[in-house]
Amino acid sequence: NAGVMQNPRHLVRRRGQEARLRCSPMKGHSHVYWYRQLPEEGLKFMVYLQKENIIDESGMPKERFSAEFPKEGPSILRIQQVVRGDSAAYFCASSRDGTGADTQYFGPGTRLTVL
Amino acid sequence: QKEVEQDPGPLSVPEGAIVSLNCTYSNSAFQYFMWYRQYSRKGPELLMYTYSSGNKEDGRFTAQVDKSSKYISLFIRDSQPSDSATYLCAMKARGSNYKLTFGKGTLLTVNP
Repeated sequence: NAGVMQNPRHLVRRRGQEARLRCSPMKGHSHVYWYRQLPEEGLKFMVYLQKENIIDESGMPKERFSAEFPKEGPSILRIQQVVRGDSAAYFCASSRDGTGADTQYFGPGTRLTVL
Repeated sequence: QKEVEQDPGPLSVPEGAIVSLNCTYSNSAFQYFMWYRQYSRKGPELLMYTYSSGNKEDGRFTAQVDKSSKYISLFIRDSQPSDSATYLCAMKARGSNYKLTFGKGTLLTVNP
């Protein structure tokens, strides 16, 4: 049973370019979460999605960042016009039902470097 | 005041030692408590999950929750070099019980 898949594992972008990060949840999971880990910081919640719906995007910057989880295909975290401060590790997690007792399983992360 | 405080270490112990890792929190709405282990350049891996005060044991790992003091601990017995990693405490609150709030993590090195 494959775990959470993320690609690419490493992404280098120049300032002003777009970054597109993909996450495929574990089989049987329909809830996806994105977290960001800045250097010397803990993991911070960004957004929670179910299929075709954004449930909570309170942790995501209002500008330049967007997320989707379409009916078919992976969840996408999109960062437009990247800046150096966007350099971080972005982790996706998935879970089965989104309840309090539900367990979130993390992917290996995408490490974004903005030059 | 941060919602979750965790001493970042680093913590270095000899093989076989008992390790104690701790977090404190300020939000009394937190009711689910987790410990994740993160190896360098990898994703977090769930170690322990508790939602009540008291102790929970799994092999060499014991998680302890004291809600009255807003304090959680992870104990590792007979530590091994393979336990060398960053340990992250995480919590979920009533009302937003899908959102994990993490401590900064404690870097542990177990020396052979």
